[in-house]
Amino acid sequence: GAVVSQHPSRVICKSGTSVKIECRSLDFQATTMFWYRQFPKQSLMLMATSNEGSKATYEQGVEKDKFLINHASLTLSTLTVTSAHPEDSSFYICSAGGPAVTEAFFGQGTRLTVV
Amino acid sequence: AQSVAQPEDQVNVAEGNPLTVKCTYSVSGNPYLFWYVQYPNRGLQFLLKYITGDNLVKGSYGFEAEFNKSQTSFHLKKPSALVSDSALYFCAVRGSTSGNTPLVFGKGTRLSVIA
Repeated sequence: GAVVSQHPSRVICKSGTSVKIECRSLDFQATTMFWYRQFPKQSLMLMATSNEGSKATYEQGVEKDKFLINHASLTLSTLTVTSAHPEDSSFYICSAGGPAVTEAFFGQGTRLTVV
Repeated sequence: AQSVAQPEDQVNVAEGNPLTVKCTYSVSGNPYLFWYVQYPNRGLQFLLKYITGDNLVKGSYGFEAEFNKSQTSFHLKKPSALVSDSALYFCAVRGSTSGNTPLVFGKGTRLSVIA
């Protein structure tokens, strides 16, 4: 299957700072990237869908000014958590897709801890 | 709207015994169904999918799943469980084959294989 690389795998930041998470599609052109958030012992919650070269579409209840998503190329999407607070601590996972790709391919996830 | 139900939070099975992880779905139109596995602090790994064709789908690591349209189910099975199969399993559905639409996940089932 396709390879999706997510970086960093783990980050600790201070409250009020911003953190950027990168998601790279290494061996196919991902026209669409999905960002999920996973709470402990819970399922994946879709945060937003981003299409290359256009603005992301956010799910209801997700603050677009807090979770900035950029998808400037077919191989890279970034999620920036701005002015992070402890309640933003979570596991964030990206997924890459495209019109010719049936299943979604996931990054390794990023464990964000805000202290 | 699409939805997935995984009725069991936890499944325990002895090593060497067959295992089943249950999944039912709801979707308008044709369902496209997926199983993923997640190990601690990792992203999701693709196991198998049903798009069309044979109702019994074979996937990675000896797993298989049976699509049952009348019961709207897609249960994951393995004839002989291994301790290394212990992980969190997610069933997912999409109402389209296009990789540009997100997957909808069930809440997950934790599988514990006991030696």
